[in-house]
Order: sequence, then C-alpha cells, then structure tokens
Amino acid sequence: NAGVTQTPKFRVLKTGQSMTLLCAQDMNHEYMYWYRQDPGMGLRLIHYSVGEGTTAKGEVPDGYNVSRLKKQNFLLGLESAAPSQTSVYFCASTLLAGSPGELFFGEGSRLTVL
Amino acid sequence: GQNIDQPTEMTATEGAIVQINCTYQTSGFNGLFWYQQHAGEAPTFLSYNVLDGLEEKGRFSSFLSRSKGYSYLLLKELQMKDSASYLCAVMDSNYQLIWGAGTKLIIKP
Repeated sequence: NAGVTQTPKFRVLKTGQSMTLLCAQDMNHEYMYWYRQDPGMGLRLIHYSVGEGTTAKGEVPDGYNVSRLKKQNFLLGLESAAPSQTSVYFCASTLLAGSPGELFFGEGSRLTVL
Repeated sequence: GQNIDQPTEMTATEGAIVQINCTYQTSGFNGLFWYQQHAGEAPTFLSYNVLDGLEEKGRFSSFLSRSKGYSYLLLKELQMKDSASYLCAVMDSNYQLIWGAGTKLIIKP
C-alpha cells in the first residue's frame, strides 16, 4: 500500500535555484493538495487540484507553481527559491473535498534554502 | 478572519486522561477534524465531527459544540506512544480546511 508518496524527502537549495517536488497517489483520489508546515503555525495551503488538468491557488501561493497533468500526480515547483521557502512540504489527497473523508498525507519533504 | 486556537503544549501522565481544546472562528462550517502528528512524520486522521455531541473511538473521543465554536479531543488511558502533536482543523464554507497550529502533548511515565 503506497498511498501518497513524495519525492525527494530532503533537499538543500541555494537562493535562486529551482526545483520540483513530486507527489504521487495510487488511491484514485480526485483532490490533491500541497501544504507547507512551519514551526508554531498551522498547515498552510499552497495550491490544490480538484481533478486532472485543474489547479487553484491556496492561502500562500506566491513563489510556487503546480501542475496536475495526470490524476495520480501533483507537482509543486519553485522557480527561484528564497530562504523564506525553507519549510516542510506535505502533499495530501482525498476522494472528494466535501465528504467527511480523511486527508491522506505523504511523508513530507524537508526543504532548506540557503 | 478565520482562526483556530488550541494550546501550544500540554503535559500528562501515562495512564491518565487529557483533554485538548480547540476553539474556532471560520467562514461557515462543514465539519471539524482532529489529526495526530508524531515528530518528523505526516499527520494521520483521528476523528471528524459535523454534528454537536461526542464521538467515541476506542481510547479517543471528540466533542463538538457548533454554537460555541468549540471542540475537544479526549484521550483516555494515556500511553507513551500518544506523545505527539494534535492538530485541529475546520472545513469552511468553501470546503477548505483551516488548521490550528497544533498542541504538543508530552506524556511522562
């Protein structure tokens, strides 16, 4: 049971570098989310997708882009990394957003921007 | 604005009972969730409440009062493995989850 898989698990970037985080789920879920988690703060939604080919902005979208070309994959891109983007990033998925169904999270990707 | 408040940290003794409170102010309400997150790991689902009252699931129970904007998570017969952060989240009128900062629960022998 793979569930939600994130790659890479850890990454160190220099300011200005770019990178992509990959999230893959094998549960045929429609909704996928990218969150960041910082000390002393709740999970904050970066971008989300309600289905293949669709994406939408969350609470903190600036500096990030996303794509959902395939239903099972949701990519998060940082075009020009900044130290403020140092965080733990979590991908999550659920079957339908309006249902009481739980969110399934990936293990997290720890990103440090120097 | 939307706001979820929960205590930053709590300490309890193994075998005891602890109650973690969560108060919220959100644009609409479509349910309240509790998640458990062990250090360095992903959050995992514990409970969901959409109607007032108590939902019991083994050693864990969750209570909701919509009129008071209040919920609590009750953990009984505490075990060392219950040491974790407990996250409260409310689904607003747009079906978006608003998350609290989490309560770090420390269990002492």
